[in-house]
Formats: sequence, C-alpha cells, structure tokens
Amino acid sequence: DTGVSQNPRHKITKRGQNVTFRCDPISEHNRLYWYRQTLGQGPEFLTYFQNEAQLEKSRLLSDRFSAERPKGSFSTLEIQRTEQGDSAMYLCASSLGGQNQPQHFGDGTRLSIL
Amino acid sequence: AQSVAQPEDQVKVAEGNPLTVKCTYSVSGNPYLFWYVQYPNRGLQFLLKYITGDNLVKGSYGFEAEFNKSQTSFHLKKPSALVSDSALYFCAVRVPTGGFKTIFGAGTRLFVKA
Repeated sequence: DTGVSQNPRHKITKRGQNVTFRCDPISEHNRLYWYRQTLGQGPEFLTYFQNEAQLEKSRLLSDRFSAERPKGSFSTLEIQRTEQGDSAMYLCASSLGGQNQPQHFGDGTRLSIL
Repeated sequence: AQSVAQPEDQVKVAEGNPLTVKCTYSVSGNPYLFWYVQYPNRGLQFLLKYITGDNLVKGSYGFEAEFNKSQTSFHLKKPSALVSDSALYFCAVRVPTGGFKTIFGAGTRLFVKA
C-alpha cells in the first residue's frame, strides 16, 4: 500500500512536553497538508506545503506549532509545551498539483494530553 | 466568511432505500466541491468532486452528488443504501482564489439499518 503514512498512530504525553509527528505522503504528490480534527468536527486546516515550501499557515497554528518538509518528501509537525487543548487527531494529506485535485489522507495521529 | 454547512448531524435510512446527505456552502467565486467519507479511526477517503460541467457527479461506491448553483448546495446521494455505507461523511469546499485551503463541514453520520 503506497498511501499516506502517519506515525505514531497514538501519542500520550504529559502537559508541557514536546511532541513530533511524521507524515510520509504519496511519493509523486508535491502538495502536503496538515489538519486537526476534534470529536464531532470536520478537519481544520493548519498548514500546507508545495514541495519544501510552506505556503500557508492557519491562525490556528500558534507559535508552539511548527511544521517542516525539509526535502519536499516527508513532513514533521512539532508541538512544543503541549496543552490540554492540543488533544485531537492530527491528519496529514497529500495531493497532486492543481486546485481540483482531491486530497489523500493518512489515518492520523491521535494526541492525548494528560 | 467562507463556510460549509451540513445541516444534519445524522441521517438514518433502511438498507435498500435511497439516501441523501445535505451540504450547502457560502463562498465567493466558483468553488471546487468535494465529498469525503471517514470510517472509525481512519483518515478521510475521497468520494467525488465537482469542478465544472454536469450538475450530477458520479463517484466511488455508487455515490453521486447534485450541484445546485442557485441554492449553493452539493447534496450527496445514493439510490440504494448498504449497511456498509454507515460512516461519517464530510462535504468540503476549495475556493480557486483562496490558495489551497480546503474548508470542511462538521460532518454527517450516516446510519444504514439492515
């Protein structure tokens, strides 16, 4: 299966700790997106990359959040000094270029803050 | 502000009956419209999209959607529901002038009874 892969699937950590999630997109996709999804809600856009360039960031992405895609392949999302409100499912998606292209989602990383 | 509304939190139908999951949107310009499905503990899967052309769009697993520009709606339909269609369905909008940001509705949970 060459779909979008996210690791870890689950992360439990104490408040105040830093966490990092990884996303491996479909290899030929040059666009990569990060979303946050809480229970009963649709995915909320966080940021997206075209190749290695981060082109847009949501206001939801506070200074504690940072995302990278260093070589235009895999991406990481880091949350520093985690807070209770950061508990959510973090979804990664990738797509080909073009605004009419659908996104292909990974199965997400579920973050729980104790 | 641009938004997507899914007015029903849940829809219940009997197997074999037709189903409709409603979606309306409020965006400037001519949007690209998508439907995705999400199964428990999984990422979203693309079902279908409307870009331009015929107002009735056919997608995966027998689903189709009807675009109505005057009513700014994009309802998902299936002529004969299956128990395996039970899942969470999301409508999504991408505005051509809005970069690659995609706005998702809050989701509608579909229950199909045997």
